[in-house]
Amino acid sequence: SQTIHQWPATLVQPVGSPLSLECTVEGTSNPNLYWYRQAAGRGLQLLFYSVGIGQISSEVPQNLSASRPQDRQFILSSKKLLLSDSGFYLCAWGEGGPFHNEQFFGPGTRLTVL
Amino acid sequence: EDKVVQSPLSLVVHEGDTVTLNCSYEVTNFRSLLWYKQEKKAPTFLFMLTSSGIEKKSGRLSSILDKKELFSILNITATQTGDSAIYLCALTRGGSNYKLTFGKGTLLTVNP
Repeated sequence: SQTIHQWPATLVQPVGSPLSLECTVEGTSNPNLYWYRQAAGRGLQLLFYSVGIGQISSEVPQNLSASRPQDRQFILSSKKLLLSDSGFYLCAWGEGGPFHNEQFFGPGTRLTVL
Repeated sequence: EDKVVQSPLSLVVHEGDTVTLNCSYEVTNFRSLLWYKQEKKAPTFLFMLTSSGIEKKSGRLSSILDKKELFSILNITATQTGDSAIYLCALTRGGSNYKLTFGKGTLLTVNP
C-alpha cells in the first residue's frame, strides 16, 4: 500500500531564515506530486505540482520554490522566509490518470515564521 | 477561473442529527468533484463523483452530484462526535494535470 511522509511535523523559524520541507511517497511509481498551503481561512491553495522528476509547475507567485530530485521525493524550499509564509503545508500524491483524480495527503508541516 | 463555494461555512448539531453540506462550483471542462474530511491534520479522501445522479455511499455518509445545476451535497446521517471535522469539496478539470481546486470547507461540530 502507498504511504506518504512529510517532515518535520512542526517548525518555528525566524524571518529571513531558509526553509526546506521534505515529502516522500512509498508504494507507487511516477506519481503526480503536489504542495498545498492551508492558511487560517481553511482553504487549501495549490502552490506547486510535478508530473515527473525535475518537472515543476508553479501555481502562484511567491517566496517559495519546489524541486523533485527523485521520482518519489518532493521538496519545498525558501531562501528567506517571510511572516506571510506561516501556515500548514501539505504534500499530496495522485496517480493522475483519467479515472483516478483523487489525491492523498501527507500529515503536513505546521510552519510558524516569527 | 474555477470556483468552489461551500455552505454553510460552519454548522453545530447534536449527536443523532442528519446534516447536509453543500458545494457549488463553476469550472470549464469539469472532470470530477471530490469530498475530503479534515480532522486535526491531513485531509482524508471520502468520495469522488463524476456522473450526475449516482449516489456514492459509505456507511452513514453519502454524496451526489448534479452537473446540470453545478452542485454536490454531502449527507451525514445519525451524526456522531467523531464526525466533527472540516469537510472540504474540491474539483478537477480536464487538461489540468488533475490539480484540485478547493472550497474553503464547512466546519461541522457535533455535540454530545
